[in-house]
Amino acid sequence: DTAVSQTPKYLVTQMGNDKSIKCEQNLGHDTMYWYKQDSKKFLKIMFSYNNKELIINETVPNRFSPKSPDKAHLNLHINSLELGDSAVYFCASDAGQAGGPFQETQYFGPGTRLLVL
Amino acid sequence: DQQVKQNSPSLSVQEGRISILNCDYTNSMFDYFLWYKKYPAEGPTFLISISSIKDKNEDGRFTVFLNKSAKHLSLHIVPSQPGDSAVYFCAAQLGTSYGKLTFGQGTILTVHP
Repeated sequence: DTAVSQTPKYLVTQMGNDKSIKCEQNLGHDTMYWYKQDSKKFLKIMFSYNNKELIINETVPNRFSPKSPDKAHLNLHINSLELGDSAVYFCASDAGQAGGPFQETQYFGPGTRLLVL
Repeated sequence: DQQVKQNSPSLSVQEGRISILNCDYTNSMFDYFLWYKKYPAEGPTFLISISSIKDKNEDGRFTVFLNKSAKHLSLHIVPSQPGDSAVYFCAAQLGTSYGKLTFGQGTILTVHP
């Protein structure tokens, strides 16, 4: 059973298109995240949702819009794709509570490799 | 401004020997540190962590050392096994920013049989 799954695994698209990446976790976690791994290999947090509420919103272009229909899903929609959006996008989840004092382990999905041509 | 850095892109060791992976950070307010391991085409998986109130944490073959004065942490793997070959990411967190991990760029470890 896959704990954190992402679809699609690969996405090749043209500049200017709009695309979505989906993430689902079956761990019963309350918190979900989106990370971007850029060409320099750094994993950088983009967004975090706790029980469908946006908690972390890093400096990300507003072409990126996360949506959490329920606490098991966190989707990422990207408008007007640009060449610089090419990266690997990872979804993650943990059992933590936003602002809580306890450190919880984050579980990552396999990543979605996005290539913008 | 990268607050967590892994300055060695790769490391190669013989099976049975010790692997030492290093990580440096610049923000003295980080109070929790983690190591993640990543195989190709998979997401990172948690390996071991350490709180800033400790200087060592051990879990089987894996030990993490924290030197707060030097803002440096290291992961020791003893003995190294071929199955340990992967990318290792160091990450750090501020206590006031729960869940917001700052990652290094990773070190590729290759363990030769």
